[in-house]
Amino acid sequence: GDSVTQMEGPVTLSEEAFLTINCTYTATGYPSLFWYVQYPGEGLQLLLKATKADDKGSNKGFEATYRKETTSFHLEKGSVQVSDSAVYFCALSDPGSGGYNKLIFGAGTRLAVHP
Amino acid sequence: SAVISQKPSRDICQRGTSLTIQCQVDSQVTMMFWYRQQPGQSLTLIATANQGSEATYESGFVIDKFPISRPNLTFSTLTVSNMSPEDSSIYLCSVERGGGKETQYFGPGTRLLVL
Repeated sequence: GDSVTQMEGPVTLSEEAFLTINCTYTATGYPSLFWYVQYPGEGLQLLLKATKADDKGSNKGFEATYRKETTSFHLEKGSVQVSDSAVYFCALSDPGSGGYNKLIFGAGTRLAVHP
Repeated sequence: SAVISQKPSRDICQRGTSLTIQCQVDSQVTMMFWYRQQPGQSLTLIATANQGSEATYESGFVIDKFPISRPNLTFSTLTVSNMSPEDSSIYLCSVERGGGKETQYFGPGTRLLVL
């Protein structure tokens, strides 16, 4: 079945450092890809998405490009802030047999940014 | 996006009891989803609730343990029945809204601790 693999955390960075969180996927079809962020004690927030190959999703300085040839959707940010400390989840949308789209999540990567 | 609220936000329960979690959306949606996030883990889909029909459960989840109601297009409940400590998790509801049908937006979650 479809699956998502993320780099293990935690990732610890100093403020203003460059961030990359790797995400690769396995899918039989052509899924949409997502990054969600979970701040401490909160629910999930959609960070960005891409619906087809070569699409770039971007939001709040984060970006990720849908790479079909490498089945990847790596998250990047040029200069992280302390406020970016959170858990980041990569996910794909799997069209289920019941006519609905099911999200399949990676394990999550915890990011800690220090001043 | 969507404004989604959940009640309760957290609870501590005794084993053998049941808890009903409510999910309210600010406008009508067709599909509502219930996920579980076990401590330190990723999210797993429990079931999908479509108004006017029985919920569709994922492998490993059964209606007797997680009965779901969907009385209208803005509301759903998930009951965690006959709880054990293994049910301690965050339970999140989500909806599909705009931005492409497959984009899901999440509620803040219900943090459940079973003693």
